[in-house]
Amino acid sequence: ETGVTQTPRHLVMGMTNKKSLKCEQHLGHNAMYWYKQSAKKPLELMFVYNFKEQTENNSVPSRFSPECPNSSHLFLHLHTLQPEDSALYLCASSQGVGTEQFFGPGTRLTVL
Amino acid sequence: AQSVTQPDIHITVSEGASLELRCNYSYGATPYLFWYVQSPGQGLQLLLKYFSGDTLVQGIKGFEAEFKRSQSSFNLRKPSVHWSDAAEYFCAVISSGTYKYIFGTGTRLKVLA
Repeated sequence: ETGVTQTPRHLVMGMTNKKSLKCEQHLGHNAMYWYKQSAKKPLELMFVYNFKEQTENNSVPSRFSPECPNSSHLFLHLHTLQPEDSALYLCASSQGVGTEQFFGPGTRLTVL
Repeated sequence: AQSVTQPDIHITVSEGASLELRCNYSYGATPYLFWYVQSPGQGLQLLLKYFSGDTLVQGIKGFEAEFKRSQSSFNLRKPSVHWSDAAEYFCAVISSGTYKYIFGTGTRLKVLA
């Protein structure tokens, strides 16, 4: 595997389900990010981790819970989501501050 | 607060025609600026970036962008568009000293054969 991978690519869940999104980067980067991409809205930065430490939490509801066990892996745990949480969730990584980000293909989430 | 504006939501051009996508930013210091492209069902791919130096930067796939501080702009250009360039294009800026990237709302490009 190369670059940034995300699994699953598609996920349909009910509002009472618990699921997790996984992201893995194979680039040796130290920072990882979660973004939410909804139609007709700018990309919304959700969380940033640098060397496994969370550096940004952009006022994200607690039903989204990130986990970064090491610099290569990032998870987003989902619990009791709402239909408005349906979106494309993108993971990205970068080498440090002020450098370009490399994105994964995203997970298309649908909440019923 | 920092912001990025892409005034054109949709642009349609004929194959072989020139292209310019507009990006304006609001930022106090010298910004780090990026253009990304997103094909349907895919993540974002970096086209080019500006950190400092020459204000005309070259990127992949024949794209270039020019940083104009006086106009707070970082417009993306391509002299001759190919059908495969049809995608959504995002301009982004980094907030200095943080990991907080700010993206525009995107411009969707359609290419006519």
